[in-house]
Amino acid sequence: KNEVEQSPQNLTAQEGEFITINCSYSVGISALHWLQQHPGGGIVSLFMLSSGKKKHGRLIATINIQEKHSSLHITASHPRDSAVYICAVRNNNDMRFGAGTRLTVKP
Amino acid sequence: EAEVAQSPRYKITEKSQAVAFWCDPISGHATLYWYRQILGQGPELLVQFQDESVVDDSQLPKDRFSAERLKGVDSTLKIQPAELGDSAMYLCASSFTPGANYGYTFGSGTRLTVV
Repeated sequence: KNEVEQSPQNLTAQEGEFITINCSYSVGISALHWLQQHPGGGIVSLFMLSSGKKKHGRLIATINIQEKHSSLHITASHPRDSAVYICAVRNNNDMRFGAGTRLTVKP
Repeated sequence: EAEVAQSPRYKITEKSQAVAFWCDPISGHATLYWYRQILGQGPELLVQFQDESVVDDSQLPKDRFSAERLKGVDSTLKIQPAELGDSAMYLCASSFTPGANYGYTFGSGTRLTVV
């Protein structure tokens, strides 16, 4: 069993829909990252969380440390949100990645 | 905005040939990471540098892979000889200090295809 599990693996939505991507982890962490990877391959850091909730534009990330669970929400989704979203957990020098959730938003 | 520079963006090489990738981290970032990402999977750490020293290369296939960061700034990852299974995205990242919960930045990656 992977230490970082994401669900769903693939997600297709219609433009405007509210989207949730989930991440569960089984190790102790100092922070959790949500990353976005576009088809070209480059990775952009969206959020870094150690507790609570963060919001940036239409993106919201939450984390529950006790339950070892985080969610990434996208409100009013748009085709340009189509990408792979990766959850990564960090503990000191160690970074562990989920396999990613491939999101496709159709117009 | 500061970024991690990687080159080349794409590389096609024949098996048994040598290939090298270059990474220039954000200025001032002491920690540099090389990751390999196979299609459909998350990145996996190959090697981590703190300044010019290797602090973790436990997952680096040392029979064919080597990495160096001679002056503690830019870094080179080499594969010799390349095998078909090495086809993947190679990502470089840097951070200000190990475990820093800020300033962790990825480069755009080098997509390697071995034919």
